[in-house]
Amino acid sequence: KQEVTQIPAALSVPEGENLVLNCSFTDSAIYNLQWFRQDPGKGLTSLLLIQSSQREQTSGRLNASLDKSSGRSTLYIAASQPGDSATYLCVPNNNDMRFGAGTRLTVKP
Amino acid sequence: GAGVSQSPSNKVTEKGKDVELRCDPISGHTALYWYRQSLGQGLEFLIYFQGNSAPDKSGLPSDRFSAERTGGSVSTLTIQRTQQEDSAVYLCASGPGRDYGYTFGSGTRLTVV
Repeated sequence: KQEVTQIPAALSVPEGENLVLNCSFTDSAIYNLQWFRQDPGKGLTSLLLIQSSQREQTSGRLNASLDKSSGRSTLYIAASQPGDSATYLCVPNNNDMRFGAGTRLTVKP
Repeated sequence: GAGVSQSPSNKVTEKGKDVELRCDPISGHTALYWYRQSLGQGLEFLIYFQGNSAPDKSGLPSDRFSAERTGGSVSTLTIQRTQQEDSAVYLCASGPGRDYGYTFGSGTRLTVV
């Protein structure tokens, strides 16, 4: 069974900081990895999808990298804003789409 | 439809009653997942459907929980004899295949009183 660990569990930063969220997973035989954000009381919004053959994906201020062989992914957020405050979840997909606990990010104005 | 639709958005039921939660995936999506998220907790896998294959039911917490997917499209999650600990948000996700990502619905918030 896939095990997903996200570090840190919580992070509080002032607006404007660049930050890195880490994700590790135990089964590297994945098709792709997806990063989501979840706002309190809401569903999940997809941020980035990285295929297993790719090393990274970028969307605006977000950049996600994938090192499949070592079972790691990072999400880099540049110039953080208060609107980035949410819980961030990574999901490695191998038809066993399990979630970790996520990283709860707070960006203070 | 444009997205994954779940209904009802909110459901309050009395302990011991049965409930049905519905998920309408994006048209053409062959994969469908159900998750449960209790207050302040992470997403707990419940069940996975892929095309016409037998579903992966390994996450269903008890035999009071069951799910079906008719015609490879709409899915219904049924909880029999609801208990207070069943109170949670139930989320559904669908995807077109293993090389693609997944889209989540907004969830059904179930409250058992």
